[in-house]
Amino acid sequence: GEDVEQSLFLSVREGDSSVINCTYTDSSSTYLYWYKQEPGAGLQLLTYIFSNMDMKQDQRLTVLLNKKDKHLSLRIADTQTGDSAIYFCAEIGAGSYQLTFGKGTKLSVIP
Amino acid sequence: GAVVSQHPSRVICKSGTSVKIECRSLDFQATTMFWYRQFPKQSLMLMATSNEGSKATYEQGVEKDKFLINHASLTLSTLTVTSAHPEDSSFYICSARAPATSGVPSGELFFGEGSRLTVL
Repeated sequence: GEDVEQSLFLSVREGDSSVINCTYTDSSSTYLYWYKQEPGAGLQLLTYIFSNMDMKQDQRLTVLLNKKDKHLSLRIADTQTGDSAIYFCAEIGAGSYQLTFGKGTKLSVIP
Repeated sequence: GAVVSQHPSRVICKSGTSVKIECRSLDFQATTMFWYRQFPKQSLMLMATSNEGSKATYEQGVEKDKFLINHASLTLSTLTVTSAHPEDSSFYICSARAPATSGVPSGELFFGEGSRLTVL
């Protein structure tokens, strides 16, 4: 089956930028998503990018997509302690309605 | 505010009992809802796809008699864990697919807050 890979941990200092990376195998991916999960809570959609785009910016969030390398990244500018959470990368393939999730990257923000 | 409500958020039950978890879409009608299970420090595992008015589609390895799913209306899907055992203890999350829009032709997925089940 299709696979989505992420590094499991990232630690940054408050005020710095965070970059969370994700790779996927499904060459037919149409949408790629970033979700945020705070402790004990469900997932919150942060942003998404359509596969024919290579960049999307939304306030402090910047998503970069390299479709050739099947690499997706999420950059959080001016990282705050409230950004501490687990971030999941997910993709949906053409003709499908099911999301394939990565295992999540735990972002720890050091004050 | 939340557009998908999940209830209860926490439940503790004795081994052998059954537990029902509800998932409601508050602002839209969802013909399709999904149930996920999340193990500690792991990603979400899709358990089943719930289709309004028809039988749920279960993923390989998920026991349909163990995890009963009912999608009786366009705004409500329920997951019943029958004869629960300690190994069923987990975090269960539902999601509902909103109608397609020009911005999100696939229909955006909204997630519930999750339900933590502890079986003693």
